[in-house]
Formats: sequence, structure tokens, C-alpha cells
Amino acid sequence: QLQLQESGPGLVKSSETLSLTCSVSGGSISTNNFYWGWVRQPPGKGLEWIGIIYYSGRTYYSPSLKSRVTISLDTSHNQFSLRLTSVTAGDTGVYYCARVDAGGTPNYFAMDVWGLGTTVTVSS
Amino acid sequence: QSVLTQPPSVSGAPGQRVTISCTGSSSNFGAGYGVHWYQKLPGTAPKLLICGDTSRPSGVPDRFSGSKSGTSASLAITGLQAEDEAEYYCQSYDNSLSGSVFGTGTKVNVL
Repeated sequence: QLQLQESGPGLVKSSETLSLTCSVSGGSISTNNFYWGWVRQPPGKGLEWIGIIYYSGRTYYSPSLKSRVTISLDTSHNQFSLRLTSVTAGDTGVYYCARVDAGGTPNYFAMDVWGLGTTVTVSS
Repeated sequence: QSVLTQPPSVSGAPGQRVTISCTGSSSNFGAGYGVHWYQKLPGTAPKLLICGDTSRPSGVPDRFSGSKSGTSASLAITGLQAEDEAEYYCQSYDNSLSGSVFGTGTKVNVL
């Protein structure tokens, strides 16, 4: 059974870089038909799509975060990572990693398996 | 604000049917991109309820159904149960954003 688990610092200082890792077990990230992605939820707000990556390295990012975000793969450890630079209080929230079904139609991107989420607080 | 608009809340009594709308545009639903729906309970990860407009992943009760027409999509919950009280989000790809996006979210209240 595929499982995803987020890890990383729960506290990040303002203007610094947030780095999270998603460890995948029960399946390989080096597989076609699936992307791997990140979603976040600020306190009291809705879900925000951050971006996704394919095993080939192809990425899609939210335009509002594109200048600050990088998603990368580490196939040797079956992990993928999120890097968000120049963080502010607005980046505080719960961060989720997820498997993304590429589906049979263009840009299908259904997120079908999720990690439990990790809380990140940006402090001043 | 998201390019996918949902009502903030809907309410229904146990056993009733409720629907949640998700209004998009020509750059997402109107361009033919599929809609997916998620259930979000407090403190838990989102759960995929409907994918590709109308398909239910294994294990999702058939009380949940999805539809899409033109630039709008809907999620229907029939036989409403107390455990259905949660937030629900639609999601689709938008070619003006060159990425996917979630709707604004709808809180379902079971009276």
C-alpha cells in the first residue's frame, strides 16, 4: 500500500528557506502515469495547490509561488522535496504531499494518495 | 481568490440531498479539463471523492456523485449523514495559470 510522509522543520524564520521532504513507501516515484505534488492550507483558509513534478523532471508550479518554489526528485531515496525561498508569515500552514494521477486526459492531475501533513510556522 | 468559485456553505438535514457548485470559466472547465472533488475533515488530509468529473475511487460511497456541464461542475451528496459534515473542494487545471487550482471550498453543515 502506497504511503507518503512529510518531514522537515516545523519552524522557519522569516526571509529564510522552507525545505520539506516527502518519503514514499510501497511504490516507486520513478513511474509513469503519476506525478508527485505539494498542497498547503494556511490557518483558517482553503487548500492551495503549490506544484507537481513528473519522474522525467517536468514540473508545473502555481504562478503565485513560481518565483520562490522548487520541487525536485531524489529517486535514489524514493523521495521528493519542496523548497520555498524568502518565506513570510503568509507561508505558515499545513503542507501536504500527494501522489498525482496523470490520468488519460491532458493535465488530469487528480491527487489520490496523501501524506498526513506537516505544520510549518514562519516566525519573525 | 481562486478561479474556481464555490458557495461558502450549504446545509441539509440527515437523509436529505445537497449539492455543491463549482463555477469555472473557459480556461478550465470550458476548455475541457476535468474536475476532481475532495473531502477535507479538520486535522486530516484531503480525500479524493470524485475524479474526472464523475468517477468515484474505490471505497467512496455511491452517495457521492459528480457532474459537469459547460463552465460549471457540481458535487451531490444524497442521504446526507452526520459524518459528511466537512469542507469540500473542487480542483481542475487552468490553462491561463498553466497549473492546477482548488476551488474556494464549501462547508457542509448537517443540521
